[in-house]
Amino acid sequence: AQRVTQPEKLLSVFKGAPVELKCNYSYSGSPELFWYVQYSRQRLQLLLRHISRESIKGFTADLNKGETSFHLKKPFAQEEDSAMYYCALSNRAQKLVFGQGTRLTINP
Amino acid sequence: ETGVTQSPTHLIKTRGQQVTLRCSSQSGHNTVSWYQQALGQGPQFIFQYYREEENGRGNFPPRFSGLQFPNYSSELNVNALELDDSALYLCASSSPLPPTGRRNYGYTFGSGTRLTVV
Repeated sequence: AQRVTQPEKLLSVFKGAPVELKCNYSYSGSPELFWYVQYSRQRLQLLLRHISRESIKGFTADLNKGETSFHLKKPFAQEEDSAMYYCALSNRAQKLVFGQGTRLTINP
Repeated sequence: ETGVTQSPTHLIKTRGQQVTLRCSSQSGHNTVSWYQQALGQGPQFIFQYYREEENGRGNFPPRFSGLQFPNYSSELNVNALELDDSALYLCASSSPLPPTGRRNYGYTFGSGTRLTVV
């Protein structure tokens, strides 16, 4: 079964502190992993994808196949990072399987 | 470049009625997927359309159906509405979809249609 688990529904950190949003997945094969973000009153948008190995807005995520994880990290949180974050995997059929999401709040 | 547009933005229907939601895909995208997002949950895949044919379906009953048109726009139809159908319905389009095996480069989502069934 394909499943994405985000264990934290809510995460609150202070500005300037490191942030890690956890994501674990189950999938028999080689999935493609994504992080999507939804800022207040905006649409869901792609933040980053593992195949690109990119850093967007200071965020990075490394695919760990051994631990089946794809945690999202940022060394220094900023207030504008407050948003809803969804981890998702894509199978060969191209559908996206989302986690339940983590609401990140950055306190000043 | 235009993004994904959905209409209407909000809708209230009575249990047992039928509803049609509409989506225009992003320019250059010919694959459209629909997702249901219940309150406090992540989006759940309903189905996907490619070249006007259903190309994958999630765990939703047959009363959820769809269409894709030659201009790649799409409709989601739900018959015999139930209270649990109340949700945000998201449309997403993606880059051209070749035969299976090619990587997904990410979807562009619309703002959604908020459906309330009373």
